[in-house]
Amino acid sequence: AQSVTQLGSHVSVSEGALVLLRCNYSSSVPPYLFWYVQYPNQGLQLLLKYTSAATLVKGINGFEAEFKKSETSFHLTKPSAHMSDAAEYFCAVSEGGAQKLVFGQGTRLTINP
Amino acid sequence: GAGVSQSPRYKVAKRGQDVALRCDPISGHVSLFWYQQALGQGPEFLTYFQNEAQLDKSGLPSDRFFAERPEGSVSTLKIQRTQQEDSAVYLCASSLEGARFGQPQHFGDGTRLSIL
Repeated sequence: AQSVTQLGSHVSVSEGALVLLRCNYSSSVPPYLFWYVQYPNQGLQLLLKYTSAATLVKGINGFEAEFKKSETSFHLTKPSAHMSDAAEYFCAVSEGGAQKLVFGQGTRLTINP
Repeated sequence: GAGVSQSPRYKVAKRGQDVALRCDPISGHVSLFWYQQALGQGPEFLTYFQNEAQLDKSGLPSDRFFAERPEGSVSTLKIQRTQQEDSAVYLCASSLEGARFGQPQHFGDGTRLSIL
């Protein structure tokens, strides 16, 4: 069965610092991978997706993620954090043939001024 | 264009009451999903429709939960005889084809259900 593990339920960085949010997945076949962001009292907004076209994926708001098959990882990064990046971030996986998304527990990102 | 719309945004019900949650997907989207998000957790899959057909309902926690999409557009999630553990945010998402083909799911803002 597919699953997602997000290491660190809370991450705190200073404004302008590097953001690194970790995601590891388990899947028996090449997966589709997604990062979503959720602001308070809102739904999930897609940041980026991996669908096997390229291992380094660029998304919105300056975020990017790299798919590493050997490490079964899909970590999310941003070179310079902005106050508006404070939110909850979810990594999700879907295997071919399965329609549903399986989400990690989420990582709450806090930006310190 | 318009995104996924859910109503009501907030619902308070007494234990034992029935509730109905509505989802209007993005026009033209074939696939529709319902997820349940408990406080401080990631969303968990409930059920999936392709047009009007409910193809996967493996995530529905009990037979008190029922979902329908009769005309392949608007969907309703109904919970009968609500219990306190049903308190959560219920998210609806739609996509052109579904995650199988790498199509992202577009989420509504959710309905926050509180059972007293």
